[in-house]
Amino acid sequence: QVQLKESGPGLVQPSETLSLTCTVSGFSLTSYGVNWVRQPPGKGLEWMGTIWNDGSTDYNSALKSRLSISRDTSKSQVFLKMNSLQTEDTAIYLCARDTIAAPMDAWGQGASVTVSS
Amino acid sequence: DIQMTQSPASLSASLEEIVTITCQASQDIGNWLSWYQQKPGKSPQLLIYGATSLADGVPSRFSGSRSGTQYSLKISRLQVEDIGIYYCLQAYSAPYTFGAGTKLELK
Repeated sequence: QVQLKESGPGLVQPSETLSLTCTVSGFSLTSYGVNWVRQPPGKGLEWMGTIWNDGSTDYNSALKSRLSISRDTSKSQVFLKMNSLQTEDTAIYLCARDTIAAPMDAWGQGASVTVSS
Repeated sequence: DIQMTQSPASLSASLEEIVTITCQASQDIGNWLSWYQQKPGKSPQLLIYGATSLADGVPSRFSGSRSGTQYSLKISRLQVEDIGIYYCLQAYSAPYTFGAGTKLELK
């Protein structure tokens, strides 16, 4: 059974760094990619970036200077780090499995992040 | 970046009605188009990939089509459980881009 689960702090101070973990089960990170997607309250979906099965990454150009995605295949975990957070980064952060044929075919439940002092 | 123009932004339809949502790509993306359904308070779910292929477990009343750079999602007979927000996604090239979403409500 394919599962993804996001975890991390619910509250981050402005200008601080956000660190989130996506823990997966039911598939291998060396066979599938993982995307990070975010959704501000009441708004649409924004693709943030992908770590592919070979470990290479692609990032949204609007976030690239602040964003880093990495993984630990032995722990089946994918990590998101984004620095210099502002209030507009308040959102639900989701991870989703990627296959070449069927992008984002399985999703986590999402992690709510609020940027506030 | 490839822009995805999704329409309509909102749609009100009756049970059993045929519903169509479209996405227009700003350039050729081939069949690298997926559709997702998001119900309130839930994560998105994949409905259609490769422009026309039905994802596992998705009812056959959902279908996808392509005409050039215009893509459509059709619900043949609207059911109560189909209410939600629908998004298209182009995965032809990074950065992936979503459409703005279509909010589907019952009339």
